[in-house]
Amino acid sequence: EVQLVQSGAEVKKSGEFLKISCKGSGYSFTSYWIGWVRQMPGKGLEWMGIIHPADSDTRYSPSFQGQVTISADKSISIAYLQWSSLKASDTAMYYCVRGEGATNAFDIWGRGTMVTVSS
Amino acid sequence: QTVVTQEPSLTVSPGGTVTLTCASSTGAVTSGDYPNWFQQKPGQAPRALIYGTINKHSWTPARFSGSLLGGKAALTLSGVQPEDEAEYYCLLFSGGAWVFGGGTKLTVL
Repeated sequence: EVQLVQSGAEVKKSGEFLKISCKGSGYSFTSYWIGWVRQMPGKGLEWMGIIHPADSDTRYSPSFQGQVTISADKSISIAYLQWSSLKASDTAMYYCVRGEGATNAFDIWGRGTMVTVSS
Repeated sequence: QTVVTQEPSLTVSPGGTVTLTCASSTGAVTSGDYPNWFQQKPGQAPRALIYGTINKHSWTPARFSGSLLGGKAALTLSGVQPEDEAEYYCLLFSGGAWVFGGGTKLTVL
């Protein structure tokens, strides 16, 4: 079964470091992109950025450039999203989603990681 | 950055037909914007419905269809079921980046 398994919920304080993960299984991890999506409480979906695990080619949405770092370790089929210094406004659900390059189809979603940041 | 606009809310009767649209601030949406559509129900992760404007995933119910309509991407639900009540989001590739629309809350009443 193709799936993306995300790491568990996090409760952090402002200024702290955080790295959350998204593990792909059931498919060739290096053959697909992994995108990251933010959903703030009660709000819509926001595209953050995307990475191709084969060569770590990474593209950020302008709104998130410099605010987060996306990375991947293809040896263990995991993509990461990290913050060097969290803010209260980073409180949100974060989803990873698989993307196919040739068709630009986004198909499989992780269940999400809830990040709560207190000030 | 491109702004993608969807109807904030729509209401449809069970068994009816409804079309949701997705407009781009840069002009007409084309197949080169690779429109994707997603459904999200409360407390759940989004679920993919449509990619490449018109293509369905293997799990997409037949009553969902995608198209281009009047310069916008469109998602049509024919024979709406109560379980189709959800938020629907489009995703476009525009200006070298992917951008979500603000979402349409579909009420089945």
